[in-house]
Amino acid sequence: LAKTTQPISMDSYEGQEVNITCSHNNIATNDYITWYQQFPSQGPRFIIQGYKTKVTNEVASLFIPADRKSSTLSLPRVSLSDTAVYYCLVGNDYKLSFGAGTTVTVRA
Amino acid sequence: DGGITQSPKYLFRKEGQNVTLSCEQNLNHDAMYWYRQDPGQGLRLIYYSQIVNDFQKGDIAEGYSVSREKKESFPLTVTSAQKNPTAFYLCACAAGGNYEQYFGPGTRLTVT
Repeated sequence: LAKTTQPISMDSYEGQEVNITCSHNNIATNDYITWYQQFPSQGPRFIIQGYKTKVTNEVASLFIPADRKSSTLSLPRVSLSDTAVYYCLVGNDYKLSFGAGTTVTVRA
Repeated sequence: DGGITQSPKYLFRKEGQNVTLSCEQNLNHDAMYWYRQDPGQGLRLIYYSQIVNDFQKGDIAEGYSVSREKKESFPLTVTSAQKNPTAFYLCACAAGGNYEQYFGPGTRLTVT
């Protein structure tokens, strides 16, 4: 399993863009990058998944450079309800590792 | 309404007792998972099942057991051999490996 490194926490304000970078230096050729969001006392929720370049959906964008050794989740114009823990997962199989994640706190 | 359910939401047990946590899904997904989450920590994989009648140990399987007799159901038994069972337990299902995982609401187990 590729090891991932994310910041422990990040602070932001409503309306700002939040970018969370995940390092995964030993990513394998077949590995995908997946991000989940978790609110307290709830199960994680899938946000986005990508393999290379850029992926965008209705809630976030995922930027993956050519070497794929890192990835950046971008949350546009965050609101208070985006306060949560965000997990970066790297793999291509059933066993995926949820690390400690990044706690994002959005303030008014 | 498709989804994944876990019951009960809260569970209290005395030390030395086995306890079974329920997980049911009607999304018709082949893969199911059990995770454990401790306060302030990420999720750790206990067991996973790729298909009915098959399951594999995750990273922290000791003291736990599972069964997968039906596609819809993946119960987890926390045995008395689990040294520190108090935790938040999450069940998930997915169409396959590395597919989007859909999580249940979780069961908070307290053992005293």
